[in-house]
Amino acid sequence: AQSVTQPDIHITVSEGASLELRCNYSYGATPYLFWYVQSPGQGLQLLLKYFSGDTLVQGIKGFEAEFKRSQSSFNLRKPSVHWSDAAEYFCAVGARDGVGASKLTFGTGTRLQVTL
Amino acid sequence: DAGVTQSPTHLIKTRGQQVTLRCSPKSGHDTVSWYQQALGQGPQFIFQYYEEEERQRGNFPDRFSGHQFPNYSSELNVNALLLGDSALYLCASSFRHLSNYGYTFGSGTRLTVV
Repeated sequence: AQSVTQPDIHITVSEGASLELRCNYSYGATPYLFWYVQSPGQGLQLLLKYFSGDTLVQGIKGFEAEFKRSQSSFNLRKPSVHWSDAAEYFCAVGARDGVGASKLTFGTGTRLQVTL
Repeated sequence: DAGVTQSPTHLIKTRGQQVTLRCSPKSGHDTVSWYQQALGQGPQFIFQYYEEEERQRGNFPDRFSGHQFPNYSSELNVNALLLGDSALYLCASSFRHLSNYGYTFGSGTRLTVV
């Protein structure tokens, strides 16, 4: 069964500082990998996804993530954080089962606080 | 172009009662998935509906059931509510034949069981 670990429950960074959110996954092969963001009381917005190819993927809002197969990791990064980035961030994994749009397994999330 | 619409946005129920949550998928989408997000947790997959049938199911008891209608909208029903069923219930729609996890999530229904 697939699983996702987000080791950091809560991270605080200063506005303008760089950010890295950690994500480790467990899966028998190379999965589909995703990062979502959730603002308070809201649904989930997709930031970026990795399916294959270039292991450095670019997303919306200036975010990027790097897939490292050897470390089973898919860490999210941003070079300069803005106050509006404060939210909950979820890493998720999807199975490559050949069926379209299958289930996602999410981590427990990392809450990002941005100080001014 | 409307996204995923969920109703109601909030509701409060008493233990032992039954509840029905509703979801209208994004235009062009034919598959609906339901997720439960407890406070401080990540979403957990409940089940997925396509062609009016349950196609996949997560680790949830039979108290959780669903339905998909010919217009692709869906309902999530929970019977014999427990305090632990209090959560944000998220609906996500997608197009079945695109194997790219093209989910669009709704804003959710916040269920409180007292």
